[in-house]
Amino acid sequence: EAGVAQSPRYKIIEKRQSVAFWCNPISGHATLYWYQQILGQGPKLLIQFQNNGVVDDSQLPKDRFSAERLKGVDSTLKIQPAKLEDSAVYLCASSLEARYEQYFGPGTRLTVT
Amino acid sequence: QKEVEQNSGPLSVPEGAIASLNCTYSDRVSQSFFWYRQYSGKSPELIMSIYSNGDKEDGRFTAQLNKASQYVSLLIRDSQPSDSATYLCAVYIPLLSGYSTLTFGKGTMLLVSP
Repeated sequence: EAGVAQSPRYKIIEKRQSVAFWCNPISGHATLYWYQQILGQGPKLLIQFQNNGVVDDSQLPKDRFSAERLKGVDSTLKIQPAKLEDSAVYLCASSLEARYEQYFGPGTRLTVT
Repeated sequence: QKEVEQNSGPLSVPEGAIASLNCTYSDRVSQSFFWYRQYSGKSPELIMSIYSNGDKEDGRFTAQLNKASQYVSLLIRDSQPSDSATYLCAVYIPLLSGYSTLTFGKGTMLLVSP
């Protein structure tokens, strides 16, 4: 069974530029999550989708971050404009349904200069 | 703010010893608990899940849950240098919507010396 796929793996941008990350969950998984992980911290949930609907986006900085999950499969997370403090690893995870075990993709390491 | 607390460590143990990792959580209604292992520069990997009070064993790993004390732990027997990693405790916290959100602790770094 293929795992969660993410791209790109690394991205370096200048502040005020925009960036987009892509995630393909495990086949059949209805719930998809985007996390931000800063060095030395645990992952912090940014947004949770159940199929193509948003369940929780309370910690998503909506003035600069946006996410969508069209057709309930792939998802894209965008940052526009980026700030220095957005430098982090962005992790995508999926689970069969909400409250089940979550499986993580390899992550995208973003550096904002 | 619902919280999951872990000692950041590092926890240092010699090879072959038992490593004990601890976690406390603040929300009494939480029902699902997980341990993830994260190697440096890698993403979290699920190693254990536990839903009921008591012990759950899987190979060298044992998860222990005490809902009354709001405490979950992970024991690693016969620790190996390859177990050196950060261990993240994660708890599903219920939302008002009826869904739940997975909240992570900051992780405990484990160092196993040969």
